Amino acid sequence: EAEVAQSPRYKITEKSQAVAFWCDPISGHATLYWYRQILGQGPELLVQFQDESVVDDSQLPKDRFSAERLKGVDSTLKIQPAELGDSAMYLCASSRGIENNEQFFGPGTRLTVL
Amino acid sequence: TQLLEQSPQFLSIQEGENLTVYCNSSSVFSSLQWYRQEPGEGPVLLVTVVTGGEVKKLKRLTFQFGDARKDSSLHITAAQPGDTGLYLCAGDFSGTYKYIFGTGTRLKVLA
Repeated sequence: EAEVAQSPRYKITEKSQAVAFWCDPISGHATLYWYRQILGQGPELLVQFQDESVVDDSQLPKDRFSAERLKGVDSTLKIQPAELGDSAMYLCASSRGIENNEQFFGPGTRLTVL
Repeated sequence: TQLLEQSPQFLSIQEGENLTVYCNSSSVFSSLQWYRQEPGEGPVLLVTVVTGGEVKKLKRLTFQFGDARKDSSLHITAAQPGDTGLYLCAGDFSGTYKYIFGTGTRLKVLA
């Protein structure tokens, strides 16, 4: 069964350091999402891609966060510099297309900023 | 800002009991989804409801969408330990397939 892959699963870093997360969506899925989930809350959309183009990054803190999907397949989310408040689960999801509302989530990357 | 309120926040019940969790908003949804998330994993989609008044069943789970499309409920019959997890609702308010998640109901079913 096809799955969304994410790495690393866990990341511990010190504040002011740079971190990067990687996501490989299900093959053939054109739409890719990055979410942040703070402990005890629901996921919050950070950025949405359709192929290699950003569809929505209105909730992405652009002073420190960046995301890319250069070839329209896998994607990288970067934080530089990391702050204590960035500690959270970072989830990637994919769907066949923007108008297909079935999202498949990866296992997430748990980030701890010390 | 559209907000989804889920209740209760926490629920601990014995195996075999029935339960209902709720998802409410002051705004109308174009569609609403329910997910279950287990610790250390991503959410898994359970159902999508689109039509006001719609009822969908998935084994022991019954999902209902309110007539006014501002609320939804999830009813579990004869809960089992395997039902333990975080239940999230997610609503599309704009019809653009961008879903806003609620804060979730954390369910624990004791054997």
